[in-house]
Amino acid sequence: NAGVTQTPKFQVLKTGQSMTLQCAQDMNHEYMSWYRQDPGMGLRLIHYSVGAGITDQGEVPNGYNVSRSTTEDFPLRLLSAAPSQTSVYFCASSYSIRDGSGSPLHFGNGTRLTVT
Amino acid sequence: SQKIEQNSEALNIQEGKTATLTCNYTNYSPAYLQWYRQDPGRGPVFLLLIRENEKEKRKERLKVTFDTTLKQSLFHITASQPADSATYLCAPGDNFNKFYFGSGTKLNVKP
Repeated sequence: NAGVTQTPKFQVLKTGQSMTLQCAQDMNHEYMSWYRQDPGMGLRLIHYSVGAGITDQGEVPNGYNVSRSTTEDFPLRLLSAAPSQTSVYFCASSYSIRDGSGSPLHFGNGTRLTVT
Repeated sequence: SQKIEQNSEALNIQEGKTATLTCNYTNYSPAYLQWYRQDPGRGPVFLLLIRENEKEKRKERLKVTFDTTLKQSLFHITASQPADSATYLCAPGDNFNKFYFGSGTKLNVKP
């Protein structure tokens, strides 16, 4: 049981390049989400999904796309990287957060992205 | 919009003392509140959850309180150890799909 796996761990991009950050979970979690973490700003929600085929925007969605074709995978796409997207990106999953039970989020260990 | 505030200054305490971290929130009414621990270079790890109808929750050396009138949660670590040094994040949650975090407070426990 690997939990939440993120790849790559580190990435350097040039401005304008595109790439996909991968996230996979093996816990059969319904809910998956992407956050970015910047110094002094905490975790900010980018996009989330409540199940296969369903995605929605969080606080800071601009410049990012997501899709959820399977329960296990939730990739994050940067369409045209900008220096402002330099950050640490975390993927998280949970059974469900809609039922009020407060199921905890399980996080991956992050992807550190630098855009030059 | 929702706002979650945690003390951005690091908390430095001596080993064996009780550490108390504060989480204040405004502009929403969470059904529960979670606390997470984050170590450098790692993702956050869930520690405790407290619901709106609970005043206090304990787990080993950890204690969380939740005051919905003050819109505040306190997180206590008793008999703190250097291994408790980390950043602690609070996350008030509701029954909807968006889950927000405070920016965290860094705890340093000195031997």
